[in-house]
Amino acid sequence: DTAVSQTPKYLVTQMGNDKSIKCEQNLGHDTMYWYKQDSKKFLKIMFSYNNKELIINETVPNRFSPKSPDKAHLNLHINSLELGDSAVYFCASSRTWTSGPNEQFFGPGTRLTVL
Amino acid sequence: AQSVTQLDSHVSVSEGTPVLLRCNYSSSYSPSLFWYVQHPNKGLQLLLKYTSAATLVKGINGFEAEFKKSETSFHLTKPSAHMSDAAEYFCVVSASGTYKYIFGTGTRLKVLA
Repeated sequence: DTAVSQTPKYLVTQMGNDKSIKCEQNLGHDTMYWYKQDSKKFLKIMFSYNNKELIINETVPNRFSPKSPDKAHLNLHINSLELGDSAVYFCASSRTWTSGPNEQFFGPGTRLTVL
Repeated sequence: AQSVTQLDSHVSVSEGTPVLLRCNYSSSYSPSLFWYVQHPNKGLQLLLKYTSAATLVKGINGFEAEFKKSETSFHLTKPSAHMSDAAEYFCVVSASGTYKYIFGTGTRLKVLA
C-alpha cells in the first residue's frame, strides 16, 4: 500500500490555466505539507496543515491555494499558471509535533510543466 | 532562525570506499536534524534523524551521522559505498515549535565502478 500518494504524476499545461494536484496519506498522520522542488533540486516548504488547519503559509503567491477536506487529504490548486511554476511538487505527512519534529513521509512528486 | 549548509554540491567516490557528506547547521533552538535521500525521479526517504538523544545516530543502509554541537555539524558517513547509494542527499534542520523543516541545497553522490 502506498503511504503518501499524489495525482497526477505528470502535468503539462499552458500558461494561464488552472490546475489541481491531489495528495492522500493512509498513515493516520495529522500534519501534511506541500513542497516545491526547483530545477536545481532546492526544496522549499509552501504550506503545512495540522488537523485540517493551516499552520505554515510561506511567501507563496496567492494563486496557490491549499485545501484540506480531511486529515488524510491535502490538495493544491494553482490559478493562472506561469512559466515559473514549472517544478516538482511534493506532498509529505508526519505525526503531530507533540514532542518536537517528526519524520516526514514524502509522496512520489508531481512534475508540473507550464508551456 | 535556522539554516543548514551542505558544503559539497557533488561528491564522487569509488565503490567500496568511504562516503562523507558534510552538513553544518545554525539554530536558535535545540535542533532536530535529519538526512533524507532522493533517488532519481523518486520522493524523499528518511535515512536517519537526531533528536537530542545519542549523538551518534545509525540509519538505514549502513549510513550514520554524528551530531557535534561544538562544530555545529551533522556529517553523514558510510564505511563502504555501493552503486545503489548514488542519489541526492539532503540535510534538514528543524526545531520544536517552529513547524518548519529547513532543507539544505543537496549533495549529489556519484559512485564509480
